[in-house]
Amino acid sequence: QKEVEQNSGPLSVPEGAIASLNCTYSDRVSQSFFWYRQYSGKSPELIMSIYSNGDKEDGRFTAQLNKASQYVSLLIRDSQPSDSATYLCAVEGVIQGAQKLVFGQGTRLTINP
Amino acid sequence: DAGITQSPRHKVTETGTPVTLRCHQTENHRYMYWYRQDPGHGLRLIHYSYGVKDTDKGEVSDGYSVSRSKTEDFLLTLESATSSQTSVYFCAIRKNRDGYTFGSGTRLTVV
Repeated sequence: QKEVEQNSGPLSVPEGAIASLNCTYSDRVSQSFFWYRQYSGKSPELIMSIYSNGDKEDGRFTAQLNKASQYVSLLIRDSQPSDSATYLCAVEGVIQGAQKLVFGQGTRLTINP
Repeated sequence: DAGITQSPRHKVTETGTPVTLRCHQTENHRYMYWYRQDPGHGLRLIHYSYGVKDTDKGEVSDGYSVSRSKTEDFLLTLESATSSQTSVYFCAIRKNRDGYTFGSGTRLTVV
């Protein structure tokens, strides 16, 4: 079983709507969770981090974490065409004493004007 | 920017030749990582370092070696490049609770 799973999409959302991105992970001892945005040809850019159960809001972005269900999600409100990108879910755990970040395959999001 | 630079940005090399990619940070972070990114596979960890001369393998380490003789530099070497190593390579640093920051990437083509 892949450690971090995302629906690869593409996910198409009309401008102004809410985009919902989901991620599941397999390692119950995972400690930290991140969402990265990656534009084509660019490097991943951190947009949200979450460490405890519940919701975390930052502007138009809300990250949700449910450790019991091993589930992380990202909501983007009032979606804009500039939000069109690939969104990567990443989970950090301590493996053999070292902190490592494991990524899902990414979900390609397209916002339609 | 963000204190991490990769070089070169692009490279074309021939099968069987050695290649070294460089990652340089200016912020004295302990942890550094090399990832490769391929369509359909996302980002996969090649090697990582948790201090000077302290390195270990990631999930796709075959054919790669690394060295870290100074805190600021983490080198990735392809001992004998193969076409399967054509990829985009990203270096990352762990910035405590601020997550991981990535370099701009190196696009490597092995012909």
